[in-house]
Amino acid sequence: DQQVKQNSPSLSVQEGRISILNCDYTNSMFDYFLWYKKYPAEGPTFLISISSIKDKNEDGRFTVFLNKSAKHLSLHIVPSQPGDSAVYFCAASGIQGAQKLVFGQGTRLTINP
Amino acid sequence: ETGVTQTPRHLVMGMTNKKSLKCEQHLGHNAMYWYKQSAKKPLELMFVYNFKEQTENNSVPSRFSPECPNSSHLFLHLHTLQPEDSALYLCASSQDFGTVYGYTFGSGTRLTVV
Repeated sequence: DQQVKQNSPSLSVQEGRISILNCDYTNSMFDYFLWYKKYPAEGPTFLISISSIKDKNEDGRFTVFLNKSAKHLSLHIVPSQPGDSAVYFCAASGIQGAQKLVFGQGTRLTINP
Repeated sequence: ETGVTQTPRHLVMGMTNKKSLKCEQHLGHNAMYWYKQSAKKPLELMFVYNFKEQTENNSVPSRFSPECPNSSHLFLHLHTLQPEDSALYLCASSQDFGTVYGYTFGSGTRLTVV
């Protein structure tokens, strides 16, 4: 049973436009969410996170939105740049018990010039 | 070196071979993790070590055997693997077990079983 799902395996966006990556989760005990970015031949690197007490967190060109009632979060990148081309993983964890991260399957984002 | 270092970067092995993956972290973290990334699948947590003690084994087949001699080093011993075990194996570390802050990943070992 996959608790964190990224239903779009790939996304292609034109440079300068907005990229929106989506993530859904099923476990209502999750209360902390993260996005990781992964380039080929490298490990994932932390990008941005959000606590369940918030519905938005912004860091430069990156904004994460959380809709707890829908169990949905999204990552917005604006404006998109060629260097943003990578695989983006959504991850979630809960405070109760072990806080290990549960990952989605990733979305490959390609920014076209 | 800084961060999390994994060796080798690439490994091709036969099904009857025995090999080991190595992970080393220079961050002073106390917890280390092995993840498996297969194509089009989520990152799968395999093992967790906290202060050298294994705290989680996610129903991983016994052909994968982890070893954590100290908080800085983590190994994954491989024997009699199957072709479906071909994947990217990622090591990660964090300051404390379970913290969501500062999960640092290595670059991974791309394993191909032939």
